[in-house]
Amino acid sequence: NAGVTQTPKFRVLKTGQSMTLLCAQDMNHEYMYWYRQDPGMGLRLIHYSVGEGTTAKGEVPDGYNVSRLKKQNFLLGLESAAPSQTSVYFCASSYGQLSNYGYTFGSGTRLTVV
Amino acid sequence: EDQVTQSPEALRLQEGESSSLNCSYTVSGLRGLFWYRQDPGKGPEFLFTLYSAGEEKEKERLKATLTKKESFLHITAPKPEDSATYLCAVRGYSSASKIIFGSGTRLSIRP
Repeated sequence: NAGVTQTPKFRVLKTGQSMTLLCAQDMNHEYMYWYRQDPGMGLRLIHYSVGEGTTAKGEVPDGYNVSRLKKQNFLLGLESAAPSQTSVYFCASSYGQLSNYGYTFGSGTRLTVV
Repeated sequence: EDQVTQSPEALRLQEGESSSLNCSYTVSGLRGLFWYRQDPGKGPEFLFTLYSAGEEKEKERLKATLTKKESFLHITAPKPEDSATYLCAVRGYSSASKIIFGSGTRLSIRP
C-alpha cells in the first residue's frame, strides 16, 4: 500500500545544475500535482496534470518543467537550479476534481541549492 | 482570487486544554474546504472535507465546522500526539482543478 512515492528524499545541488524529481502513485489517480512548501508561505502549486499526457501551470511555475508520460508518474524538472528553489517539494494525487478524500501526498523531497 | 488565512500561526496548549483553530477563506463559490494534518518531515495527511455552511465532521478529538466565511477545527481534550501543523485548503469554482492552501497553524500540546 505505497500510495504516493517521491524520489529522492534529499538532494543538494549547485547553482546552475539540473535535476528531475520523480513522483509515482499506485492508486490509479487521474490528477497529480507538484507543490513547494516554504516557511510561512504554505504550500504553493507549481504544476499539475489532469490526466496522462496533460500538464498545466500552477501558481509558481517559473524555472520548472513537468511531464506526465504515464498515468502513474509525474516528473518535475529543474533545468538550471537557483538558490530561490531551495524548498521542500511535495507531490500529490487525487481521483478527481471533487474527490471526497482530498489529496494523497508523498513524503516530500528536501532540495537545497547552494 | 481564492484566498485562505489561518490563525493563529502557532498555539501551545496544555494536555486536556480544549481550543479552536480558525480558517478564513475567500472563494468564488465554494466547492470544498479541506483540513489536513502535517507532522514534521512528512507530507500532509487528509482529515476532513466540508462542502456547505452548517456542515460538521468529527474524528476522535477533532471536529471541523463550516460557515460561509470560515471554518473552525475544534480540538477537545488534546493529547501530546495531536501536536502537528494543521492546514486548511479550499477549492472554488474558478480553480476547480486544484486547491489553495493556507500557511497552517502549528499546534503543540504539552504533557
